[in-house]
Amino acid sequence: GAGVSQSPSNKVTEKGKDVELRCDPISGHTALYWYRQSLGQGLEFLIYFQGNSAPDKSGLPSDRFSAERTGGSVSTLTIQRTQQEDSAVYLCASSLESRNNEQFFGPGTRLTVL
Amino acid sequence: AQSVTQLDSHVSVSEGTPVLLRCNYSSSYSPSLFWYVQHPNKGLQLLLKYTSAATLVKGINGFEAEFKKSETSFHLTKPSAHMSDAAEYFCVVSLSGGYNKLIFGAGTRLAVHP
Repeated sequence: GAGVSQSPSNKVTEKGKDVELRCDPISGHTALYWYRQSLGQGLEFLIYFQGNSAPDKSGLPSDRFSAERTGGSVSTLTIQRTQQEDSAVYLCASSLESRNNEQFFGPGTRLTVL
Repeated sequence: AQSVTQLDSHVSVSEGTPVLLRCNYSSSYSPSLFWYVQHPNKGLQLLLKYTSAATLVKGINGFEAEFKKSETSFHLTKPSAHMSDAAEYFCVVSLSGGYNKLIFGAGTRLAVHP
């Protein structure tokens, strides 16, 4: 498809399990962003990729969170030992370049930690 | 530090009447400002953006916003609401620098009544 895609669309997991969330950006977009949308915190930035490098990881809430990007395309956000407070919608966005370009958002992955 | 404050968490209007969604920003630089819309179970969509060109910015679906530096405001307006405008709206500021890190307001939920 032409847009940003994310999988799975919904994920239910038990506390303590690890989860992987996937983002496929728009082809040719060099910049990729992860955000989290939760009831208590609103929409917050997690991490930014330029190509395969992550110059800004400042939004990752703890060392249980990590992300990588391979081939300048697909990105995976991994949450280890999930906690109930990790429950949220995780959004991925991509843009053609990093500066002053529209970010196109995917539909998100809704994560529920029981 | 950059931030945005959306002054109303909920706004309710009748179809055909004007819409005003208020946003104030705080930025130590000349900011880039955006309005995004999120329809239920849909991804975030860019409505419009201000990047230091014209202070009155026209967006999609008849929305527009005016950048007022003296008031540090970037309110979103539409002359006549349509039922399909019912959604959550986010005022967003972009951090200056080498990339487009977005800082979201808390959101305003717009309800449109027949």
